[in-house]
Order: sequence, then C-alpha cells, then structure tokens
Amino acid sequence: QVQLQESGPGLVKPSGTLSLICTVSGDSITNSNWWGWIRQPPGGGLEWIGYIYHTGSTYCKPSLKSRVTMSVDTSKNQFSLKLSSVTALDTAVYYCARNYGGNSYFDYWGQGSLVTVSS
Amino acid sequence: QSALTQPPSVSGSPGQSVTISCTGTSGDVGTYNRVSWYQQPPGTAPKLMIYGVSYRPSGVPDRFSGSKSGNTASLTISGLQAEDEADYYCASYTSTNTVVFGGGTKLTVL
Repeated sequence: QVQLQESGPGLVKPSGTLSLICTVSGDSITNSNWWGWIRQPPGGGLEWIGYIYHTGSTYCKPSLKSRVTMSVDTSKNQFSLKLSSVTALDTAVYYCARNYGGNSYFDYWGQGSLVTVSS
Repeated sequence: QSALTQPPSVSGSPGQSVTISCTGTSGDVGTYNRVSWYQQPPGTAPKLMIYGVSYRPSGVPDRFSGSKSGNTASLTISGLQAEDEADYYCASYTSTNTVVFGGGTKLTVL
C-alpha cells in the first residue's frame, strides 16, 4: 500500500521560508510517477502548487513559481517543498500526493500538514 | 490560470441522484481528457473518485460516474447515501503543463 507522510515545522514567521518533506513508502520515488504538492487554506479550496519527477524536472503554478523550490532525495525516497517570502496568505494545510504516471491526477495523498504563518 | 467553476453547493435526498458541474475553458477541460474528481469529508485528505473524465479507481462504487461535454465536466452520484456527504473538487490538466482545481462543491444529503 502506497503511503505518503508530510513533515516539517507547523509555524513559520512572515517573510521566512516554509519547508516540508514528504516521505513515500510502498512505492519507489524513481518509478514513472510525478510527485506533487497541493495546499488548502482554512475553510478554502484546493490549490495545486506543483509537481516533480525523480530526475528533478518540475512544473509549478505560475503565480508561485518565483517562491517555490522542489527537490527529490532518491536515497531517502523523499521529496520536498520550499516556499520563500511567506505571508499569512500562505497559511494552509499542505498535502503531498502521487501523480500517477504523470497523468495529472493524484491517486495517493498524505494526511496533510498544517503550516501557520505568524509572528 | 483561473480556477475551474463549480457550484458552491448541491443537495439531494437519500436514493436520489445529483450532478456537480465543473466548467473550464478550451485550455483545460475542453481540450484534455484529464479531468479528475476528489471527495473530501471534513477533516480528511481528498480521495480520488474519478480520473480521465470517466474512469473509477478500484474500490470506488459504480454509483459515481463522470462525463464531459465541451468545456464542462460533470460528476453524477446516483443512489445518494448519507456517507456521500462531503466536499467535491474537480481538477484538470492545462495547456501550460499545470493542474487547476475547481473551487469545490459542498454536497448535503438531506
């Protein structure tokens, strides 16, 4: 069974950098899938952030691209997200998910990690 | 990259059918058969219900079906059950190699 688990600080100061890691089990991150990040502000809808392939290729939402860095650690079967210059508007539950075969749908999701931006 | 348009809410009685629409543009829903639907009960992670417009993952009841016409995709739930009450989101691949979600629809089972 494929499982994903987000980890990282739950509180980030304004203008700081949000950092999250997603640990994958039950599947190799080097298989033919992309690995994505989606967020959901409190009481709001889902917002696609981006996804990454194990080679390091990435696609990202244009409005976030200047602040987003995604990377993969194949030795640990993990991928990560960094979002810089955060504001209160970046407060959200952040999900990592598997984008099966690069077909743009997400079949396995992590449980989500709430990140609050506040001083 | 604008969000896909969904009705904020729909409702139905047990046993009835409901349909949730998801309207995009020729740059996403209208061109690509890469529309997916997710179910999200309160406090839980989204669950994939439909992919590729009309395909159901293993384990999803056949009461859930998807379709598309032009720039609008639809999710139909027949034989409504109390457990279907949740938020539903559509998503589509776009011409810029990105993914866009709908704003979400809250389904209430009366």
